[in-house]
Amino acid sequence: QVQLQESGPGLVKSSETLSLTCAVSGGSISRWFWNWIRQPAGKGLEWLGRVYINGNTNYNPSLKSRVTMSVDTSKNHFYLSLTSVTAADTAIYYCATGDRALDYWGQGALVTVSS
Amino acid sequence: DIQLTQSPSFLSASVGDRVTITCRASQGITSFLAWYQQRAGKAPKLLISTTSTLQSGVPSRFSGSGSGTEFTLTISSLQPEDFATYYCQQLNSYPLTFGQGTRLDIK
Repeated sequence: QVQLQESGPGLVKSSETLSLTCAVSGGSISRWFWNWIRQPAGKGLEWLGRVYINGNTNYNPSLKSRVTMSVDTSKNHFYLSLTSVTAADTAIYYCATGDRALDYWGQGALVTVSS
Repeated sequence: DIQLTQSPSFLSASVGDRVTITCRASQGITSFLAWYQQRAGKAPKLLISTTSTLQSGVPSRFSGSGSGTEFTLTISSLQPEDFATYYCQQLNSYPLTFGQGTRLDIK
């Protein structure tokens, strides 16, 4: 059973960079795509993008050029970086993966952007 | 981007009721549609993939159907643990998108 765990700072200052790590256990990172999704408090889900082990990525254009995702197969980790954050980036950030959909999710990491 | 519109956005029902949630796509997505259940304070849980494939461990009272641009999630007989928010997601094209959610409350 694949398990995912997000980690990273819970508080980020406005205009700085949000960085999160997703640790993968119970399965190899060398399969599927590895996704990031976020959810502002009381709102819906937004897919941010996905990364594959060969480094190929697909990002949500809504984030423009602010987002970068990467993977470290030696650590079974994948990463999210979001630059120039504002209050609008305050949300719970989830990592997720799966075969035909998002079968496995982390518990989520709350990131608050402060001014 | 493909827009997904769920209806209704809010649904009040009783234990034992049969309920249907609709997800309409702004363009055809073949069968690449998934449904998730999210309970308060928890991560979403995948219920159904590729329109109608029930995930292992998900009760058979959940079912999905549809094609093209219109899809439905049906719960045949609501149980207390089913009161939650439900989201559809299209995986046909990038960016992947979610519906706005349907909140299912106890009447």
